[in-house]
Amino acid sequence: GENVEQHPSTLSVQEGDSAVIKCTYSDSASNYFPWYKQELGKRPQLIIDIRSNVGEKKDQRIAVTLNKTAKHFSLHITETQPEDSAVYFCAASEGNYGQNFVFGPGTRLSVLP
Amino acid sequence: KAGVTQTPRYLIKTRGQQVTLSCSPISGHRSVSWYQQTPGQGLQFLFEYFSETQRNKGNFPGRFSGRQFSNSRSEMNVSTLELGDSALYLCASSLDVGIEQYFGPGTRLTVT
Repeated sequence: GENVEQHPSTLSVQEGDSAVIKCTYSDSASNYFPWYKQELGKRPQLIIDIRSNVGEKKDQRIAVTLNKTAKHFSLHITETQPEDSAVYFCAASEGNYGQNFVFGPGTRLSVLP
Repeated sequence: KAGVTQTPRYLIKTRGQQVTLSCSPISGHRSVSWYQQTPGQGLQFLFEYFSETQRNKGNFPGRFSGRQFSNSRSEMNVSTLELGDSALYLCASSLDVGIEQYFGPGTRLTVT
């Protein structure tokens, strides 16, 4: 089955700096890769996603890149702000029959003022 | 549209009891997935239902079961509760496979 690894497990950056979180997946059949942000005590919220036919996607200060050959994808947050502090989860899904998201273990991002 | 809702939000049960959790998806969404979230194991997939059929199941014991009704609402049941079942149980809905999935607020289950 699919296995998703995520690094780093914790990340501290200064406000205004960039943050990068990397994930690798094992199943070459996976074709949908969402990123979720979970603030303390709240539900995970979808912040950006990418499909296997696209190499990069941007939405304001966040972007995701996908390297299918190497089976890894990354989340990039630029001009970080204190409200970006949260746990970020990546996930991979084959999506051919039924939803079966496999999540990475999460990265705790702290943006220091 | 209203978001995904889950009831109850908090539950305290004792070992050996059983529990039923409920999830109402976003209107029009037919896929409902359930996840267990714990500090040590992260987000673990339990099962997914689409049009009242279980399409996928994670690696959880048979004590964990679920169902989906014709209005897409879903329930999950845990029988013979163990201390290790204490967790946040999240459901998520989507229109179909391989597309955006939206989470509910979760039910925090504490087993004593």
